[in-house]
Amino acid sequence: GAGVSQSPRYKVAKRGQDVALRCDPISGHVSLFWYQQALGQGPEFLTYFQNEAQLDKSGLPSDRFFAERPEGSVSTLKIQRTQQEDSAVYLCASLKQRLMNTEAFFGQGTRLTVV
Amino acid sequence: KQEVTQIPAALSVPEGENLVLNCSFTDSAIYNLQWFRQDPGKGLTSLLLIQSSQREQTSGRLNASLDKSSGRSTLYIAASQPGDSATYLCAVTSGSRLTFGEGTQLTVNP
Repeated sequence: GAGVSQSPRYKVAKRGQDVALRCDPISGHVSLFWYQQALGQGPEFLTYFQNEAQLDKSGLPSDRFFAERPEGSVSTLKIQRTQQEDSAVYLCASLKQRLMNTEAFFGQGTRLTVV
Repeated sequence: KQEVTQIPAALSVPEGENLVLNCSFTDSAIYNLQWFRQDPGKGLTSLLLIQSSQREQTSGRLNASLDKSSGRSTLYIAASQPGDSATYLCAVTSGSRLTFGEGTQLTVNP
């Protein structure tokens, strides 16, 4: 596709519900990131993939958060037993090559509201 | 741990003014620095990417500079327009991630 695509754009979840957020990176892009952005703040790092390998997951806030990219393309961020503090915009970014060399392209984000 | 600070947090200017947004970072061991624009309810749009070996990049009315040794970058916007109103974020790439500042919310008044 022309850009990074994320779905759904908006998600309302009841507290305790599990959610899955999808990211379709730009075709052929090697690197993929997930970020969490609270209202009025800058994005915070969650996790980084190079192809299918999850190289850094140190930003995941708890073991309720899980991300995968099984075939090195589409990625899914899963949040189990959602809580109110999980409400945020979740952004996905992809890069053509490894992190240090290239420009990051971001999707439109998924706005998660936990009620 | 890399920390990124952006000043000012908010800026309101009349149309036509030239303006400067500031970004500072604590660890100078970076690969590159990227400036983004974010409109309300939207994702991030990349504006300029400066590699660590470069001093500046230009795109249209935008010019970004990088002084890696002092840990600073500036984004210069010439002849501002109401359509430039948005939040501007800088991000430095180091280690295995991009680290973002909190952003500068720019309003250009007609």
